[in-house]
Amino acid sequence: DTGVSQNPRHKITKRGQNVTFRCDPISEHNRLYWYRQTLGQGPEFLTYFQNEAQLEKSRLLSDRFSAERPKGSFSTLEIQRTEQGDSAMYLCASLGGGLEQFFGPGTRLTVL
Amino acid sequence: SQKIEQNSEALNIQEGKTATLTCNYTNYSPAYLQWYRQDPGRGPVFLLLIRENEKEKRKERLKVTFDTTLKQSLFHITASQPADSATYLCALGDSGGGADGLTFGKGTHLIIQP
Repeated sequence: DTGVSQNPRHKITKRGQNVTFRCDPISEHNRLYWYRQTLGQGPEFLTYFQNEAQLEKSRLLSDRFSAERPKGSFSTLEIQRTEQGDSAMYLCASLGGGLEQFFGPGTRLTVL
Repeated sequence: SQKIEQNSEALNIQEGKTATLTCNYTNYSPAYLQWYRQDPGRGPVFLLLIRENEKEKRKERLKVTFDTTLKQSLFHITASQPADSATYLCALGDSGGGADGLTFGKGTHLIIQP
C-alpha cells in the first residue's frame, strides 16, 4: 500500500500523560499536514511541513503540541500533558505536485 | 474571521435522484475550493477541485460549481446510489493559490435511500 499511513490507529491515555503519533506520507510527497477532527466537525488545520521545514502553525497548536519531520520523510506529533479536550481524531495528509491532499486513516486519541 | 457553512443537517435523497450539497463562505477569497468524501472512521478522500476562475467542473457523476460573487459552491451527484452515502466536506484553499492548510466546513451527511 503506497498511501499515507498513521500509527497508532487508536490511543487511550490518562490525563497528564504525553502521547506521540507518527505519520508516513506518500513517498516523495514533500508537503505534510496535520489536522485535528472532533465529532461532527470538519478537520481543523494544525501545522504543515515542506520537506523538513515547518512552515505554518495554527493558533490551535498550543505550547503542549509539537511536530517534527526530521529528514523530510515521516512526521511525529507530540502532545504533552494531555487534557480531555485533546480527545479527537488526528489526521495526517501529504501532497505532491498538485493541490489535492491525500489523507491517512487518522489516529483516534481518547484522554480519560 | 473565515466562516464556512454546509447543509446543516443530514440530507436524505432517493436512489437515482440528484443530490445537491451547498457550501457557503464569508470573509474569505479562496483561490480554489475542494470537495472531499469522508466515511465513518476514515480520513477524507479528495473528489474535485475548482479554481476561482472556473465556473464548473465535472468528473463522472460528480459536478461542482463555484460562484465567487455569491461566495458559494454547489456539489451535485447525479444518478445517486446507496454507496454514495457518506459525509461530504467542502474545503477552501489558500487565497494566494498555494498549498497552505485547508479550511474545512463541518460537512454534510448524505444518505441515499434505496
